[in-house]
Amino acid sequence: DVKVTQSSRYLVKRTGEKVFLECVQDMDHENMFWYRQDPGLGLRLIYFSYDVKMKEKGDIPEGYSVSREKKERFSLILESASTNQTSMYLCASSSSERQGYDYGYTFGSGTRLTVV
Amino acid sequence: DQQVKQNSPSLSVQEGRISILNCDYTNSMFDYFLWYKKYPAEGPTFLISISSIKDKNEDGRFTVFLNKSAKHLSLHIVPSQPGDSAVYFCAASAGNQFYFGTGTSLTVIP
Repeated sequence: DVKVTQSSRYLVKRTGEKVFLECVQDMDHENMFWYRQDPGLGLRLIYFSYDVKMKEKGDIPEGYSVSREKKERFSLILESASTNQTSMYLCASSSSERQGYDYGYTFGSGTRLTVV
Repeated sequence: DQQVKQNSPSLSVQEGRISILNCDYTNSMFDYFLWYKKYPAEGPTFLISISSIKDKNEDGRFTVFLNKSAKHLSLHIVPSQPGDSAVYFCAASAGNQFYFGTGTSLTVIP
């Protein structure tokens, strides 16, 4: 079964801490994405990557950075966590080739981050 | 600017009745559309898709309709079941990136 694995389901961090959220996929997908989900705001794109060492800003990159040193791993970094970064964080991956009728993102289970 | 919109944040239906979830988009270049279902504390899971060359795709109780002239997408669930209670996101793509709506929370009342 194909998977996107996020390292933590729940995380509590203090304001000002540096936070790492890890995401690993085993589908050999080229594309990887980080979203945050907040009530009433849907899924907002933070950063994405279409290749190793490549990264692009999404709609809300402020306060975040990413790292993609290997194809299967895409890390989201909160440089100095703040309370307004309390959210559900979702990692997703996809192939660059549209194959079959169910082409799309495969999501991880999410990380519920609380910053206190 | 939101390219994909779900104007109904919530919807309640009785078990056994039809649920209709709507989605509008603005970008005429979108050629592939998806619906995802999301339970609390879980990641979204793929539900059903449709290509712009079609106007309907059916999978069991789920049917997606596409009206390209109106730039409108809808998901029909018949009959609705309590286990269908979740947040539903529509998404659209013209390439590698998908654009998501803000979601509709569906509650199916037993």
